[in-house]
Amino acid sequence: GENVEQHPSTLSVQEGDSAVIKCTYSDSASNYFPWYKQELGKGPQLIIDIRSNVGEKKDQRIAVTLNKTAKHFSLHITETQPEDSAVYFCAASGGYSSASKIIFGSGTRLSIRP
Amino acid sequence: NAGVTQTPKFQVLKTGQSMTLQCAQDMNHNSMYWYRQDPGMGLRLIYYSASEGTTDKGEVPNGYNVSRLNKREFSLRLESAAPSQTSVYFCASSVGRGGNQPQHFGDGTRLSIL
Repeated sequence: GENVEQHPSTLSVQEGDSAVIKCTYSDSASNYFPWYKQELGKGPQLIIDIRSNVGEKKDQRIAVTLNKTAKHFSLHITETQPEDSAVYFCAASGGYSSASKIIFGSGTRLSIRP
Repeated sequence: NAGVTQTPKFQVLKTGQSMTLQCAQDMNHNSMYWYRQDPGMGLRLIYYSASEGTTDKGEVPNGYNVSRLNKREFSLRLESAAPSQTSVYFCASSVGRGGNQPQHFGDGTRLSIL
């Protein structure tokens, strides 16, 4: 079945710097790649997603890139702010083994240093 | 607009006790999901319901049962709780039947089995 690996597990960056989180997936038929942000005590919230027919997508300070050949995708956060501190999850779905399911990575805890 | 509502928020059980976790969504979504979240393991799918009247197993279904009561409600039952089921449980919903749709999460039920 689909497997999603996420790195790093923890990331600390200076406020104002950029943060990058990377994920790889195993099912070449996967076609939907969302990113979720989870704040303490809350459920995950979708922040951006990308489909396999697109190589890059941006939304203000957040961008996601997808390399289908290499089967990896990344989240980029620029000009980080204290409110960006949270746990971030990547996910993949739509492949042959997960047509109705989303498989999540193990998460990255991002800390923004003032 | 409440979105996805989970009850209870916290629960402590003794080994062997049973309980039902409730989930309701008010977004007229077709699909609903139950996940468990354990430290360092991300979100793992327990069961999902692609549409009213259907349910299917996810990655970790053993020890759980589900009921899609109607389009709004999807409950998760632990028949005989075990310490290994100590976790945070999240319910989610999505508008479409496939996994390649954004999911909306509740804020979780924190369950401890003694």
